[in-house]
Amino acid sequence: NAGVTQTPKFQVLKTGQSMTLQCAQDMNHEYMSWYRQDPGMGLRLIHYSVGAGITDQGEVPNGYNVSRSTTEDFPLRLLSAAPSQTSVYFCASSYDRGHGYTFGSGTRLTVV
Amino acid sequence: LAKTTQPISMDSYEGQEVNITCSHNNIATNDYITWYQQFPSQGPRFIIQGYKTKVTNEVASLFIPADRKSSTLSLPRVSLSDTAVYYCLVVPNRDDKIIFGKGTRLHILP
Repeated sequence: NAGVTQTPKFQVLKTGQSMTLQCAQDMNHEYMSWYRQDPGMGLRLIHYSVGAGITDQGEVPNGYNVSRSTTEDFPLRLLSAAPSQTSVYFCASSYDRGHGYTFGSGTRLTVV
Repeated sequence: LAKTTQPISMDSYEGQEVNITCSHNNIATNDYITWYQQFPSQGPRFIIQGYKTKVTNEVASLFIPADRKSSTLSLPRVSLSDTAVYYCLVVPNRDDKIIFGKGTRLHILP
């Protein structure tokens, strides 16, 4: 039981490049979310999903796409990286609203 | 979505009981109240969740008054390792966003 696995752990992108942050969970959780955390700040919700095939926007969705084709995976795609997207990205999952989120260890992204 | 307000920072000493209060004036009837702990360079960790009255687990207690407009996380006999950021969240009991606030930076002194 690996929990929530995020890859890669670190990434440096050039402005304008695209990439996908991977998130996988093996707990059969329906709810999954992506958050970003800037230095010294709280977490901001990017996108979330309440089940396979269902996604919705969070607080800061611009510049990011998500898909949820399986229960296990919830990838986050950066369309055209910008320096403002330099941040730590956390993926989280939960069984349902009555249970807390399990967070991954994060992906530290730098856009130059 | 219910907005939460909690102190920006708190200091306490080892061995003390620490209480962090969060206000959530517009909480809806079926919303949960949840607390997370976050250490530097780590993802948040779920601590405790409740709906009303009191909930206790091996690490903390959560006190929720009858009007549910606030909640208090109680950490018994804190140690230096409890230095972290603590987030109070209101979790809607429906398919909706789960929003983190700014959290409370708790600093435990020796």
